[in-house]
Amino acid sequence: EIVMTQSPATLSVSPGERATLSCRASQSVSSNLAWYQQKPGQAPRLLIYGASTRATGLPARFSGSGSGTEFTLTISSLQSEDFAVYYCQQYNNWPLTFGGGTKVEIK
Amino acid sequence: EVQLMQSGAEVKKPGESLKISCKGSGYRFTSYWIGWVRQMPGKGLEWMGIIYPGDSDTRYSPSLQGQVTISADKSISTAYLQWSSLKASDTAMYYCARLPTVADAFDIWGQGTLVTVSS
Repeated sequence: EIVMTQSPATLSVSPGERATLSCRASQSVSSNLAWYQQKPGQAPRLLIYGASTRATGLPARFSGSGSGTEFTLTISSLQSEDFAVYYCQQYNNWPLTFGGGTKVEIK
Repeated sequence: EVQLMQSGAEVKKPGESLKISCKGSGYRFTSYWIGWVRQMPGKGLEWMGIIYPGDSDTRYSPSLQGQVTISADKSISTAYLQWSSLKASDTAMYYCARLPTVADAFDIWGQGTLVTVSS
């Protein structure tokens, strides 16, 4: 099973600042990586797939990069609605696996 | 609008059986996979398994195989997750979500079904 490790566990950021979230795979997943956002009391929402393709309607301040084992989600200028938990997920190998999540909180 | 609508919250006792549902609308139900994802209280996301309603091809997470059963009724565009004997450790939020292919990102999510198992 591929283990997905996200860092940091919690990221404290001021509104308007840049946030950089990391996701590392225990072995190569090529570009078969997705990012999700989950707000309290809500279902997760797909943000990025194929490591860098934004889901329909996603604001351009969100961007994904990386391939192989190292991936990054960048939010260029945090808005109030972006404070949430973010998960990465690999779909290159069975079983599909998620990272443990990064909570982005208001500084 | 593409939607997955899940059944309502459940409160059960240990040892009881349960079947929760996920109804798809706004797209061809038989052309996409449906997956189930568990989220235990205060924890992260855990993939449980997926089913292709077109032919009922089903795959399970190795860590959960045998503990749950995933099924689908394509005539009513509905997927199911069921337990034959619930445990307290099954207490969690359960989400269904759609996948375009067998190994893919989950592009549409249901609203979740909270299952509470307590004596």
